[in-house]
Amino acid sequence: EEQLVESGGGLVQPGGSLRLSCAASGFALRSYSMNWVRQAPGKGLEWISYISSSSGIKSYADSVKGRFTIYRDNAKNSLYLQMNSMRVEDTAVYYCATERFDPFDPWGQGTLVTVSS
Amino acid sequence: DIQMTQSPSSLSASVGDRVTITCRASQSISSYLHWYQQRPGKAPKLLIYSASTLQSGVPPRFSGSGSGTDFTLTISSLQPEDLATYYCQQSFSSPRTFGQGTRVEIK
Repeated sequence: EEQLVESGGGLVQPGGSLRLSCAASGFALRSYSMNWVRQAPGKGLEWISYISSSSGIKSYADSVKGRFTIYRDNAKNSLYLQMNSMRVEDTAVYYCATERFDPFDPWGQGTLVTVSS
Repeated sequence: DIQMTQSPSSLSASVGDRVTITCRASQSISSYLHWYQQRPGKAPKLLIYSASTLQSGVPPRFSGSGSGTDFTLTISSLQPEDLATYYCQQSFSSPRTFGQGTRVEIK
């Protein structure tokens, strides 16, 4: 079964850092572009970052540009999101999602990040 | 950025009803439009891609149509398990943007 599993979420203070991981099983992540999407409590979906299969192209939403870094380790079949200078408004469930041919599929189950003092 | 606007924001319908959700893009996106279902407490799941192609395993009561700026998701006969929020998303240009979601409730 093709699956993505996120980890690394938790409670962090404003200004702090956190690294999220997304591990793939049942398929090779190296062949596909990947994305991070987040969902604040009770809100809709917000795309925040993209990385191409070779890591040659990366992009970020304005809301996280300069603070978050997306990267991947194809040998470990994993995707990462390094989050620095975190803000209260970064509180959300963070999903990784595969972009195999155009839409996002599959998605991980999500990991909750809470930024609070 | 391309803005995606869904309507209605929420709806309540009975089992067996036909339900229609619309999604409008702020500029033409051809058929680069996808629909996702998010059940309560779960991750989003791809329902329809490229405006009208049903993802494998999705029940045929779901259908999509449209091109350009106006798109529709239809549930032909609402079932209890369709309780969810539905999102449209464009992949015509970056950044990929989502509609604000339509919550479907069962009467």
